[in-house]
Amino acid sequence: KAGVTQTPRYLIKTRGQQVTLSCSPISGHRSVSWYQQTPGQGLQFLFEYFSETQRNKGNFPGRFSGRQFSNSRSEMNVSTLELGDSALYLCASMRQAGTDTQYFGPGTRLTVL
Amino acid sequence: AQTVTQSQPEMSVQEAETVTLSCTYDTSESDYYLFWYKQPPSRQMILVIRQEAYKQQNATENRFSVNFQKAAKSFSLKISDSQLGDAAMYFCAYRANFGNEKLTFGTGTRLTIIP
Repeated sequence: KAGVTQTPRYLIKTRGQQVTLSCSPISGHRSVSWYQQTPGQGLQFLFEYFSETQRNKGNFPGRFSGRQFSNSRSEMNVSTLELGDSALYLCASMRQAGTDTQYFGPGTRLTVL
Repeated sequence: AQTVTQSQPEMSVQEAETVTLSCTYDTSESDYYLFWYKQPPSRQMILVIRQEAYKQQNATENRFSVNFQKAAKSFSLKISDSQLGDAAMYFCAYRANFGNEKLTFGTGTRLTIIP
C-alpha cells in the first residue's frame, strides 16, 4: 500500500505570495492532519480534516487554511507569506479516528525569501 | 493544555548497546495515547511504537520497548542492540483518545550511534 504523499517536496516563495501544498493520504484513510515543523517552535498542529470537514484547528492565524476533497486528498493554503512561514509542512493520515495511528508523509519544505 | 517534555536534547550510544530516551507529559485526561516517532535526517517521520494509556502492559516492537508509568506521567523509550540506522531525532507525542486527533509533540532527542 502506498504511503502518504506530499507535493511539491520543495518550494521557494517570496514574501507576500501565497502557496498551496497538497497531501494524498494512504488509501482508505479519511483523516488528514497538517503540522508545521520549525527549529524554533518544533512541531505544531495546524488542522485536521475528516470527511471533508475541519474537525480541529491549531493556534495559527487565518492566513493558514485547508480543505479536503471527497477522495480524502487535502490541500493547505498559506496566503500573504511571511519569512516566519519557512518550515517543513508535514501531512499525516489516519484511517478514521479514535484508536488509529497517524502516518506521516515526507513533508514539503517551504522557503520564504 | 497537554504538554510533552523531552529533557535530553541529545544522546549518544555505542553500537550494540542499549539507550533510554526520556519523556514526561502533563494531562488531566485519563484515556489517551502516547507515541514515539523517529525522524532520520531529511527523511519522513516514522512511527516507532505506541502505547494506550488504559493498557498496563508496556508496548514492545522488536528492539524497541517503552516504560510507561501512568501515575508519574512518564513514557521512556528503550532501544536495545542499537544499530547505525537508529540514528535520528526521536519525538515523543501525546494524543487524547476522543474528540481531538491532534498530536502534541515534545522537542525531540537527537540520537547518535557511535560505531
